[in-house]
Amino acid sequence: SQTIHQWPATLVQPVGSPLSLECTVEGTSNPNLYWYRQAAGRGLQLLFYSVGIGQISSEVPQNLSASRPQDRQFILSSKKLLLSDSGFYLCAWSVRRSGAFFGQGTRLTVV
Amino acid sequence: DQQVKQNSPSLSVQEGRISILNCDYTNSMFDYFLWYKKYPAEGPTFLISISSIKDKNEDGRFTVFLNKSAKHLSLHIVPSQPGDSAVYFCAADFTGTASKLTFGTGTRLQVTL
Repeated sequence: SQTIHQWPATLVQPVGSPLSLECTVEGTSNPNLYWYRQAAGRGLQLLFYSVGIGQISSEVPQNLSASRPQDRQFILSSKKLLLSDSGFYLCAWSVRRSGAFFGQGTRLTVV
Repeated sequence: DQQVKQNSPSLSVQEGRISILNCDYTNSMFDYFLWYKKYPAEGPTFLISISSIKDKNEDGRFTVFLNKSAKHLSLHIVPSQPGDSAVYFCAADFTGTASKLTFGTGTRLQVTL
């Protein structure tokens, strides 16, 4: 069965510090991978998606970047965090038209 | 531009009664719709979906209805149980190489005893 791992679960970072969130998927090959963010009181916003190694599409301009160094690994990064980067970050995967399956999320607080 | 809208941020229903969560969309290209359930500090979990070729899909206590002409879908939960208390997101997708779900803002359902 497929599983998705996302870490860390919570993170408190000072403004201006770098960020690296990692997500890995097991039990499937060639998944589409996604990073979503849920800001306080708002819905889920798609940040990045990837249909293959090294292929990243950005949905919204922002202070973040994503990379996919391996088929089942997706990394969300920032060189310098802003206060507005605080939120709940979710990694997800999908295969074909199955909808997306989510990890447990990372609560990021930028202070 | 909010293409998927859930106009009720919260809903309170008594245990045993029906819960009806509503969702509207504006993009007529959407052809696949999903409902997710989310508990605090957890990722959303898939609940039920419907393709645009159908107008109803049922799975146990959960039924999703789609009205394409009105660009409206709803999730019915019958009977409602306390464990159903969560935030419910509707999401829409369209045919493509990747699922790029567009989510609504969510409705918080509280099932009371």
